Amino acid sequence: NAGVTQTPKFQVLKTGQSMTLQCAQDMNHNSMYWYRQDPGMGLRLIYYSASEGTTDKGEVPNGYNVSRLNKREFSLRLESAAPSQTSVYFCASSVDLENSPLHFGNGTRLTVT
Amino acid sequence: GEDVEQSLFLSVREGDSSVINCTYTDSSSTYLYWYKQEPGAGLQLLTYIFSNMDMKQDQRLTVLLNKKDKHLSLRIADTQTGDSAIYFCAESPAINTNAGKSTFGDGTTLTVKP
Repeated sequence: NAGVTQTPKFQVLKTGQSMTLQCAQDMNHNSMYWYRQDPGMGLRLIYYSASEGTTDKGEVPNGYNVSRLNKREFSLRLESAAPSQTSVYFCASSVDLENSPLHFGNGTRLTVT
Repeated sequence: GEDVEQSLFLSVREGDSSVINCTYTDSSSTYLYWYKQEPGAGLQLLTYIFSNMDMKQDQRLTVLLNKKDKHLSLRIADTQTGDSAIYFCAESPAINTNAGKSTFGDGTTLTVKP
């Protein structure tokens, strides 16, 4: 049982380049999330999807877009990468938005030069 | 706004008990969680407590909840070097009332010395 799978594990981009981070879960969860983790700032929510067909902004959505492709997959796109987006990105899923724990992927370490 | 706070670092000797503390502000939280993050990995759910409970024990882990003071603690008995990790306190997402705000603390880095 794979749980939450993220690809790629590592990525280096030049400023201005675009890329999409992929995330898939096989637990039949309704809700999915994208977080970024930076030293001294904990986990910050970028976007979330309460259920298939819906997406909403989190705490730090600027510079990102998301797509809930189907119930399993939730992708995060950087249209024009900036050095401030250098971070570790985590995808997570949960049964529902409220009162259910999050299951995390192993993260994508992104460096923007 | 809603917030979860933890001390950033804790260092203990192998075999001692570790106590990681957390305070939160959302009194409507139904569940409170502890997650563990090992180097290079994502967060994994360690344990949780329902808000109408005072204590929950699970093998070496004891969670204490003081709802009046909004204080949560995680005690690890007989701490081992394999317990070295970052521990995150989190409250159950209340997205509808707290849209866009992360409900995780910044994490406590536990270092266990042999």
